[in-house]
Amino acid sequence: GAGVSQTPSNKVTEKGKYVELRCDPISGHTALYWYRQSLGQGPEFLIYFQGTGAADDSGLPNDRFFAVRPEGSVSTLKIQRTERGDSAVYLCASSLTTSLTSSGELFFGEGSRLTVL
Amino acid sequence: AQKITQTQPGMFVQEKEAVTLDCTYDTSDQSYGLFWYKQPSSGEMIFLIYQGSYDEQNATEGRYSLNFQKARKSANLVISASQLGDSAMYFCAMRVGFQKLVFGTGTRLLVSP
Repeated sequence: GAGVSQTPSNKVTEKGKYVELRCDPISGHTALYWYRQSLGQGPEFLIYFQGTGAADDSGLPNDRFFAVRPEGSVSTLKIQRTERGDSAVYLCASSLTTSLTSSGELFFGEGSRLTVL
Repeated sequence: AQKITQTQPGMFVQEKEAVTLDCTYDTSDQSYGLFWYKQPSSGEMIFLIYQGSYDEQNATEGRYSLNFQKARKSANLVISASQLGDSAMYFCAMRVGFQKLVFGTGTRLLVSP
């Protein structure tokens, strides 16, 4: 499809395991974002890529979280030593514009639901 | 710190009626942007409407309009002629810096026949 694609759609893992979540943005979109949405909350910013580099990773909660975008397209969010509190929906978004100073909206994927038992 | 407040956890409206979803924001920035997103049960966030802080006119997009009251720091979403397909979560968000969005906790809208 032409939209933002995220895999897996659902992931159940055990506490302490390593998890990778993948995001395939809309073709040609240089900006890519990861957000985390906990139950009953709005999405919270994690990290923003402009091209291959992480322009802003201030939302990553701790050093167990890491994200890459080696070729400026697909991105992978990596979570080490998962904890139950990491359970959430992880949303990826991409944008054609390099800033959101107008209605340059984000296009979101359907998210990856992570459950840590 | 920038913050978005949505005080209505849930709203009910009858089909064809209009509904207003409340949003207030807190920022010390002079330049900012306000967004509304719809999140159906599928999970993706769908952009609805945008209002820049310097925009003189209230934004409108089809059945959606944004009632922007800068002095009161409110940016309420008005949906006219509600449809059953409007049932979803609605999130107000504010741009922080150039790329980051801060979201509120959302309002669940239920449209009844």
